Amino acid sequence: QVQLVESGGGLVKPGGSLRLSCVASGFTFNDFYMNWIRQAPGKGLEWISYISSTGSRIQYADSVKGRFTISRDNAKNSLYLQLNSLRAEDTAVYYCARRDMGYYYFDFWGQGTLVTVSS
Amino acid sequence: SYVLTQPPSVSVAPGQTARFTCGGNNIGSQSVHWFQQKPGQAPVVVVYDDSGRPAGIPERISGSKSVNTATLTITRVEAGDEADYYCQVWDSRSDHYVFGTGTKVTVL
Repeated sequence: QVQLVESGGGLVKPGGSLRLSCVASGFTFNDFYMNWIRQAPGKGLEWISYISSTGSRIQYADSVKGRFTISRDNAKNSLYLQLNSLRAEDTAVYYCARRDMGYYYFDFWGQGTLVTVSS
Repeated sequence: SYVLTQPPSVSVAPGQTARFTCGGNNIGSQSVHWFQQKPGQAPVVVVYDDSGRPAGIPERISGSKSVNTATLTITRVEAGDEADYYCQVWDSRSDHYVFGTGTKVTVL
């Protein structure tokens, strides 16, 4: 069965950095576009980035562009998100999610990893 | 940027029908997807491409769409339907994904 397992969250000071990982199993990872989506405490869902199956296409939400970097290692079935210049408003649960192959929606999600930015 | 607007909350008695909307500019030309999120859990897709139903989603949950509004309908509402619901589209102009503001469904 499809599984996505995120890790790497934690407490970091404003201006600090963190690297999130997502390990995929149960499907052919290098066939799928992958995404990061976050949810601030008590707030709604916010898409923040996607990467194509080969890594050749990448997009970021304006709120993180220039600070966050998405990447993947298909040999390791892994997705990454490098978070730099973190701000208090980046505090959120970060989910990795697979995009459906045919339609532009997220058919499988991980359980999320919490990033807290606070001094 | 593209904006999707949902009512913040809907309350419904068990056995009744919950119906709530997702509004966006020319949403009729978009493919709209709906997610259910229960407290402490990751979202789960309940409707894709306006009215498609993934395996395992009951027929009580359905989606529809008109020119400017997408609608999620839950008939014969049960306590287990209590959750936050989000609509979502892909904005082809920006190549970004957009979520609606979310609707909290409370079962009385």
